[in-house]
Amino acid sequence: AQKITQTQPGMFVQEKEAVTLDCTYDTSDPSYGLFWYKQPSSGEMIFLIYQGSYDQQNATEGRYSLNFQKARKSANLVISASQLGDSAMYFCAMREYSGNTPLVFGKGTRLSVIA
Amino acid sequence: NAGVMQNPRHLVRRRGQEARLRCSPMKGHSHVYWYRQLPEEGLKFMVYLQKENIIDESGMPKERFSAEFPKEGPSILRIQQVVRGDSAAYFCASSQPGLAPLEQYFGPGTRLTVT
Repeated sequence: AQKITQTQPGMFVQEKEAVTLDCTYDTSDPSYGLFWYKQPSSGEMIFLIYQGSYDQQNATEGRYSLNFQKARKSANLVISASQLGDSAMYFCAMREYSGNTPLVFGKGTRLSVIA
Repeated sequence: NAGVMQNPRHLVRRRGQEARLRCSPMKGHSHVYWYRQLPEEGLKFMVYLQKENIIDESGMPKERFSAEFPKEGPSILRIQQVVRGDSAAYFCASSQPGLAPLEQYFGPGTRLTVT
């Protein structure tokens, strides 16, 4: 069974600093995808970044990068040069590809960026 | 190209009433997923539908909840005889048919409040 663990309920970061949000996962499927979503206070789910289990390189999207360590089953999100607008809930999610399986989400990390 | 549409955005129902939540997927998407988010929690999968078919309803409560995705029109999540515990945000996501990875695009959600 799939499982996602986010161990940090809340994080604080100074504006312009980098921050790492932790995510570990558990699956027996060799083929899977890892996703990060941002949920601001307005409530919508915003897709940030994707990493496939067979991707050789870590995914990057602008200020977001995913530190993928397959052997440790971790997929940490790194946000560089934090901005006040980055304050939000961040969810890690996984999807196995043996069949059309849904996304499984972690409980989330609330990031607060301090000026 | 419009994104995933959900309506209403906010819905208030008294205990015992019915709630109908609508989701129109992105153009060209024929896969729809419904997720529920309780306060301070991550999203939990409820049901996965394709046009006129329920593919996976393993996350749906056994009673009072039903979902459909007709040949024409939006997908509907129906909750009969609502109770206070049904108060949550309900998100719909859609994806294209085809091989993985299949990124899911989320709608803005419907916030259901049961009084």
